Amino acid sequence: GENVEQHPSTLSVQEGDSAVIKCTYSDSASNYFPWYKQELGKGPQLIIDIRSNVGEKKDQRIAVTLNKTAKHFSLHITETQPEDSAVYFCAASLGGSARQLTFGSGTQLTVLP
Amino acid sequence: KAGVTQTPRYLIKTRGQQVTLSCSPISGHRSVSWYQQTPGQGLQFLFEYFSETQRNKGNFPGRFSGRQFSNSRSEMNVSTLELGDSALYLCASSPRTERSNSPLHFGNGTRLTVT
Repeated sequence: GENVEQHPSTLSVQEGDSAVIKCTYSDSASNYFPWYKQELGKGPQLIIDIRSNVGEKKDQRIAVTLNKTAKHFSLHITETQPEDSAVYFCAASLGGSARQLTFGSGTQLTVLP
Repeated sequence: KAGVTQTPRYLIKTRGQQVTLSCSPISGHRSVSWYQQTPGQGLQFLFEYFSETQRNKGNFPGRFSGRQFSNSRSEMNVSTLELGDSALYLCASSPRTERSNSPLHFGNGTRLTVT
């Protein structure tokens, strides 16, 4: 089955700096890669996603890049703010179905004011 | 539009008991998926329901089951509870259109504690 590895497990940055979280996946059939943000006491919230026919996608301060050959994808957050502090999860779709996701282990991002 | 609603938010059960969790998807969403979240194993897929039928199933024992009703609401059941079943159970809904990669929208989960 699919295996998704995520690094780092914890990340601290100064407010205004950039944060990068990286993930690798094993199943070459995966073609959908969402990123979720989970705040304390809440469920994961989709922040951005990318499909395998696209190499990069950007939404304001958030961007995701995908390298299908190397089977890795990354989340980039620029101009970080304290409200960006949360746990971030990458995921990959098993067999192309977005409803059956394999998640990475999560990154606790802390933005220091 | 209201989000995914899960009830109850918290549950405390004893080993050997059974439990039923409920999920109301976003209006118009016909697919409901369930995930288990634990500190040790992270987020793991349990199963997906669409049109009252289980479409996909993760690697969990038969004690974990679910169902979906004609209004797309879903329930999951865990029988013969074990201490290791303590977790946050998350429900997610999706439109499940022809474009299969419709994003999942998660609820805030039900925190189950087994003592």
